[in-house]
Amino acid sequence: AQKVTQAQTEISVVEKEDVTLDCVYETRDTTYYLFWYKQPPSGELVFLIRRNSFDEQNEISGRYSWNFQKSTSSFNFTITASQVVDSAVYFCALSEAYSGAGSYQLTFGKGTKLSVIP
Amino acid sequence: DGGITQSPKYLFRKEGQNVTLSCEQNLNHDAMYWYRQDPGQGLRLIYYSQIVNDFQKGDIAEGYSVSREKKESFPLTVTSAQKNPTAFYLCASSPLGSGGGSDTQYFGPGTRLTVL
Repeated sequence: AQKVTQAQTEISVVEKEDVTLDCVYETRDTTYYLFWYKQPPSGELVFLIRRNSFDEQNEISGRYSWNFQKSTSSFNFTITASQVVDSAVYFCALSEAYSGAGSYQLTFGKGTKLSVIP
Repeated sequence: DGGITQSPKYLFRKEGQNVTLSCEQNLNHDAMYWYRQDPGQGLRLIYYSQIVNDFQKGDIAEGYSVSREKKESFPLTVTSAQKNPTAFYLCASSPLGSGGGSDTQYFGPGTRLTVL
């Protein structure tokens, strides 16, 4: 069975600080996909990134960067120079290439609530 | 603009009543999903559908029902059999291109259901 753990329930940082959100996953598959979503106070989940298990290159998009390490089963997310608009709940999720009756199912972590204080 | 719409945004229901949540997408996606979110929790899958007139149970399907008569629409009915229906409900869709877990799911704005 697949599992995603986000150990940090809540994080508070002062604006312009860097912050890293941790995500650790468990899966028995060799092919799988990892996702990060942002949920602002409005409630809608906003897709941020998808990585497949064969691509361990780190990715940078503006102030966002992702560090994927298969050796530690981690897919961490860093926000550089945080801003108040980054305040949200961030979810890490995992999908296996094929999981039988649960095909296409995303398994979510419980989320990390980030508060950026001005 | 392409996207996913859910209505209503807030819904109040008396105990013992069935209620239907709407989800429509104009992204031409094949697959649609319903998730439930409780405070401080991640999302849990209720039902999903990969094609019209077909759907599968997720982890917490008891007390819920769905239909998929049109590609664009995937309504969720919360029945009186659902013991604790107060929650935030999110609908999602994905293109189901290459298939399997590689498809990115895109979410609607959600419906907050409160049972009085």
